[in-house]
Amino acid sequence: NAGVMQNPRHLVRRRGQEARLRCSPVKGHSHVYWYRQLPEEGLKFMVYLQKENIIDESGMPKERFSAEFPKEGPSILRIQQVVRGDSAAYFCASSPPHTDTQYFGPGTRLTVL
Amino acid sequence: QQQVKQSPQSLIVQKGGISIINCAYENTAFDYFPWYQQFPGKGPALLIAIRPDVSEKKEGRFTISFNKSAKQFSLHIMDSQPGDSATYFCAAVGGRRGGGNKLTFGTGTQLKVEL
Repeated sequence: NAGVMQNPRHLVRRRGQEARLRCSPVKGHSHVYWYRQLPEEGLKFMVYLQKENIIDESGMPKERFSAEFPKEGPSILRIQQVVRGDSAAYFCASSPPHTDTQYFGPGTRLTVL
Repeated sequence: QQQVKQSPQSLIVQKGGISIINCAYENTAFDYFPWYQQFPGKGPALLIAIRPDVSEKKEGRFTISFNKSAKQFSLHIMDSQPGDSATYFCAAVGGRRGGGNKLTFGTGTQLKVEL
């Protein structure tokens, strides 16, 4: 059984470029969460999605960040015009409906030069 | 606003000893409390979790103690081993908006188990 998959594992971008992070949830899981982990800090919730719907984006920065979870394909976290402060590890987690347990992917480590 | 406070920030324990990590929460809507283990370069992995209707849960060498009135919970690792050296995060879930279970994490504890 494949767990949560994220790609790329490492991503380097220059300031002003766009970053696209992909997450494929565990097969059968319809709930996807994105978290950000800044260096030496804990994980912070960003957004919660179900297929084709954003349910809770209370943790997303107001500008430059967006997320989607289309009917087909992986969930995408998109960061436009990246800045150095966006450098972090971004984790995706998935869960089946009506459960509290979340399974995390290995993360994408974004470095902004 | 930090809703889950975790301590200590780092911990060194001798092999075979007991590791204890503490967390405190503020939001009384929280009703599910998982602990995650994270190795460098990896994603968090669920270790053990508890709900507030029980005061203790044990799985192997890992035990969660829960004090609802004090709004505190702790992780005990018995017979700590070098392979337990990792960062441990407590978390809490509650106030489910739209049915989601977003995790509010503590700041993490770096555990090192020495031989």
